[in-house]
Amino acid sequence: ETGVTQTPRHLVMGMTNKKSLKCEQHLGHNAMYWYKQSAKKPLELMFVYNFKEQTENNSVPSRFSPECPNSSHLFLHLHTLQPEDSALYLCASSQASGAGEQYFGPGTRLTVT
Amino acid sequence: GNSVTQMEGPVTLSEEAFLTINCTYTATGYPSLFWYVQYPGEGLQLLLKATKADDKGSNKGFEATYRKETTSFHLEKGSVQVSDSAVYFCALVEAGNMLTFGGGTRLMVKP
Repeated sequence: ETGVTQTPRHLVMGMTNKKSLKCEQHLGHNAMYWYKQSAKKPLELMFVYNFKEQTENNSVPSRFSPECPNSSHLFLHLHTLQPEDSALYLCASSQASGAGEQYFGPGTRLTVT
Repeated sequence: GNSVTQMEGPVTLSEEAFLTINCTYTATGYPSLFWYVQYPGEGLQLLLKATKADDKGSNKGFEATYRKETTSFHLEKGSVQVSDSAVYFCALVEAGNMLTFGGGTRLMVKP
């Protein structure tokens, strides 16, 4: 595997379900990010981790819970989501937080029913 | 704070036409500038970058020049193909800050 991978690519869940999104980067980077991309809206930065420590949480509802066990893996735990949470969730990584370009995964298309 | 402004789309062109997508930015210091491309159903891919004034980034026939005097980083391609149909994002980063994206410009190329 190369670059940034995300699983699953597609996810359909009910509002009472609990699921997790997984991201893995094979680039030796130290910073990882979660973004939300909704139709007709700008890209929204959700969380930032630098050397496994969360450095940014952009007022994201608590039904989204990130986890970063090491610099290569990032999870987004989901529970009791709302239909408006349906979106493409993108993971990215960079050498360090706020330094240089970010490399993105293919995204997870989430549909909440 | 930093900001990036892109021309609104969609931009519709015929194959082999010349492409320009405008991008201007506001930053307090000396940012690095990027163009990302997002093909349907995929994530964002780094297309090209420039790290200082007058640098020209290029990749896959696309070019953009970092113009500090006009705070611009316009994307150009001499002859577009149907396969270039995608959404293009201009972005900047300044040391210690997060990547700032423009709103994206959808390009549609017709055969």
